[in-house]
Amino acid sequence: DADVTQTPRNRITKTGKRIMLECSQTKGHDRMYWYRQDPGLGLRLIYYSFDVKDINKGEISDGYSVSRQAQAKFSLSLESAIPNQTALYFCATSDAALNEQFFGPGTRLTVL
Amino acid sequence: QQQVKQSPQSLIVQKGGISIINCAYENTAFDYFPWYQQFPGKGPALLIAIRPDVSEKKEGRFTISFNKSAKQFSLHIMDSQPGDSATYFCAATPSNDYKLSFGAGTTVTVRA
Repeated sequence: DADVTQTPRNRITKTGKRIMLECSQTKGHDRMYWYRQDPGLGLRLIYYSFDVKDINKGEISDGYSVSRQAQAKFSLSLESAIPNQTALYFCATSDAALNEQFFGPGTRLTVL
Repeated sequence: QQQVKQSPQSLIVQKGGISIINCAYENTAFDYFPWYQQFPGKGPALLIAIRPDVSEKKEGRFTISFNKSAKQFSLHIMDSQPGDSATYFCAATPSNDYKLSFGAGTTVTVRA
């Protein structure tokens, strides 16, 4: 987990606020992902990026946006947070040649 | 619509017992099936993975059984230990895609 860091680890915010979650990795991987985890639903892919100039929507991208600032940095933004975006958010990375994804420790986001 | 259906949602097993978690899928393009283990407060981590060219893969006390015709795969934890208490996620992806579709997760509790 130390190779993939997420900030903040916990955040409480109010409906309508803009929130940015940040992810940094030292693994040198090209591919980065954002997931949200909800009880009973597992992990669902929000956005993914296969390199700095490549951004792709996942299965639940509505209400979210991302920015790949560098190979090592991938940020997730909620432009106007709503309560049903309350969840645990994970960043992950993978090497282009391998299937294993390495996850960060997660950010617990609460939208009131 | 989850592409990978996982059961049970939770299970309790005595120390030394066998834990069995089942997953099923419909997408015949899936050809890589990993299992991730998640401890409280941590991100998921790859535990073991299988490709359809084999029907079983064993790593220590963890075994994946794969039934291609039934489109099902399962994780067996032999000689379960309290340290195995965690949430387990099955996942699947086409190996030319690398976007994982996760099951809903199974919380395993091993009683000493």
